[in-house]
Amino acid sequence: DGGITQSPKYLFRKEGQNVTLSCEQNLNHDAMYWYRQDPGQGLRLIYYSQIVNDFQKGDIAEGYSVSREKKESFPLTVTSAQKNPTAFYLCASKDSAYEQYFGPGTRLTVT
Amino acid sequence: AQSVAQPEDQVNVAEGNPLTVKCTYSVSGNPYLFWYVQYPNRGLQFLLKYITGDNLVKGSYGFEAEFNKSQTSFHLKKPSALVSDSALYFCAVSWNDRGSTLGRLYFGRGTQLTVWP
Repeated sequence: DGGITQSPKYLFRKEGQNVTLSCEQNLNHDAMYWYRQDPGQGLRLIYYSQIVNDFQKGDIAEGYSVSREKKESFPLTVTSAQKNPTAFYLCASKDSAYEQYFGPGTRLTVT
Repeated sequence: AQSVAQPEDQVNVAEGNPLTVKCTYSVSGNPYLFWYVQYPNRGLQFLLKYITGDNLVKGSYGFEAEFNKSQTSFHLKKPSALVSDSALYFCAVSWNDRGSTLGRLYFGRGTQLTVWP
């Protein structure tokens, strides 16, 4: 999965709790992305960051927050405000040739 | 609005037969087109891309795709399918935009390919 690590692979939380998903890359890429995948809906962009200390909302940012304090790291926090947080979350980074490299994903289950 | 359409949720083919997974797109500038493959509970793996140049692009595992500007399509093809090709395939598009959206990908909903023995 190309130098991008996501942890943990499976995550279980109770409703009402915030949870942070880790994404680390050693590819020296400037741009990083968070996607959410639900069955039959493809990938939807949550947040993205072009450079350190800067990030933009994607198409479904409500209930999520991110930070980009280091080039290698782009953690995603799923807050209690996210109404349907159970999903498969994918992190990616991009090189200068437009290609995105994906991590192995984190499957979050909230009960 | 930018978009990608994969008109078939599922494609079923017999091993050894040719396969096609369809993709059409809509962007406001010159498109950059990608195909990715996903195996169960895994991340996406890059297969191939079209940025510029030859319309026929060859990628990993014997896959190829043809960029057709007039039909705004980028169908994925393979001459002889393998059972191991069974997976979820995503088409994605980006475009030549120097604004804040540079580099973001729009994905289709995915096509589940099943190759039976």
